[in-house]
Amino acid sequence: SQQGEEDPQALSIQEGENATMNCSYKTSINNLQWYRQNSGRGLVHLILIRSNEREKHSGRLRVTLDTSKKSSSLLITASRAADTASYFCATGLTGGGNKLTFGTGTQLKVEL
Amino acid sequence: DTAVSQTPKYLVTQMGNDKSIKCEQNLGHDTMYWYKQDSKKFLKIMFSYNNKELIINETVPNRFSPKSPDKAHLNLHINSLELGDSAVYFCASSRSVAAEETQYFGPGTRLLVL
Repeated sequence: SQQGEEDPQALSIQEGENATMNCSYKTSINNLQWYRQNSGRGLVHLILIRSNEREKHSGRLRVTLDTSKKSSSLLITASRAADTASYFCATGLTGGGNKLTFGTGTQLKVEL
Repeated sequence: DTAVSQTPKYLVTQMGNDKSIKCEQNLGHDTMYWYKQDSKKFLKIMFSYNNKELIINETVPNRFSPKSPDKAHLNLHINSLELGDSAVYFCASSRSVAAEETQYFGPGTRLLVL
């Protein structure tokens, strides 16, 4: 089974709305990261949250982490058409160095 | 100016052939990675090298052999290609193996085995 599973698998919203994606994982982590992948491109790092942090902001992104529930959420506020992409969570395990285990991804479509 | 580059971008080949994918990073990073993304977009690490030394090998078949001639390059050679090898292969790099180091991804190589 996969370390990270995300839901929803796909999300379609209107421009200006907020988008929320969730990620659940199974084992103890050192950190959790979110990446974006535009169609046909490589992944781009968005934000990292450490296991001792509960919330982090970066521009229009807000990430929360609940280690007791082994879950994280990514909120994109005031979405734009350019936010259309797949979003992946990735966990860095305790003692795992920089090895990342990726989730299944959420495909976000922001319509005009 | 591309930070992490891969060649070729597309690779179509017959079953049983041997092929190589090349990766170069100009970020001065010590650590490089190969990932495989399947048709369902599931991304899984295959290998990681730090300063030209193998540090992660995720039970990948022996037909896959990475080679790191120097810190800036990590190539992937695949022998006796199989249909199931069809996927997108991503190279990535990070400053070090330390946890929390951001990984920078290349654009991917789309491999189709016929």
